[in-house]
Amino acid sequence: DVKVTQSSRYLVKRTGEKVFLECVQDMDHENMFWYRQDPGLGLRLIYFSYDVKMKEKGDIPEGYSVSREKKERFSLILESASTNQTSMYLCASVKGGVTYEQYFGPGTRLTVT
Amino acid sequence: DAKTTQPTSMDCAEGRAANLPCNHSTISGNEYVYWYRQIHSQGPQYIIHGLKNNETNEMASLIITEDRKSSTLILPHATLRDTAVYYCISNQGGSEKLVFGKGTKLTVNP
Repeated sequence: DVKVTQSSRYLVKRTGEKVFLECVQDMDHENMFWYRQDPGLGLRLIYFSYDVKMKEKGDIPEGYSVSREKKERFSLILESASTNQTSMYLCASVKGGVTYEQYFGPGTRLTVT
Repeated sequence: DAKTTQPTSMDCAEGRAANLPCNHSTISGNEYVYWYRQIHSQGPQYIIHGLKNNETNEMASLIITEDRKSSTLILPHATLRDTAVYYCISNQGGSEKLVFGKGTKLTVNP
């Protein structure tokens, strides 16, 4: 089974802190994604990556950056956390060329106080 | 990417078929239709996808109209564990970027 793991299920941070959310997949997938999910807004794409050291902005990249130094790991960085970044963050991966079956991690619920 | 529209919520009796509709009237010829679901407190899970033909797998069936402007996901014998939010998504062929809408909240009642 494909496994996508995220570093924390729950995280509480203070405004202004730098926050790292880690995602690791074990199936050698080329493509990885970061989404956030908020009530009434559904899932929104923040950033995605087609390969190591490559990244592309999604629909809501403002306030976020990403890092992909190794194929299996995709990190989401909040440079200076703000309360409006309180959300559920979901990571996903998919094999390159296979569009349909994104595998999602369990999510990290981040609260910024 | 084509926009999809789904009902906000639906109910279904346990053991009966659940038919979840989706409109994608602006879909273009190379855009697939995908269905995912999200059970509470979990990440979304892929169910099925299709382009033109009807599709079936161990989880569900997907019926796509001939003009491709709408589709229906069918769970043939819904169980309580099928209670979830179901997302109908389309994308341009070759693009790995999926745009999730708000989905349909399906509640399966005993």
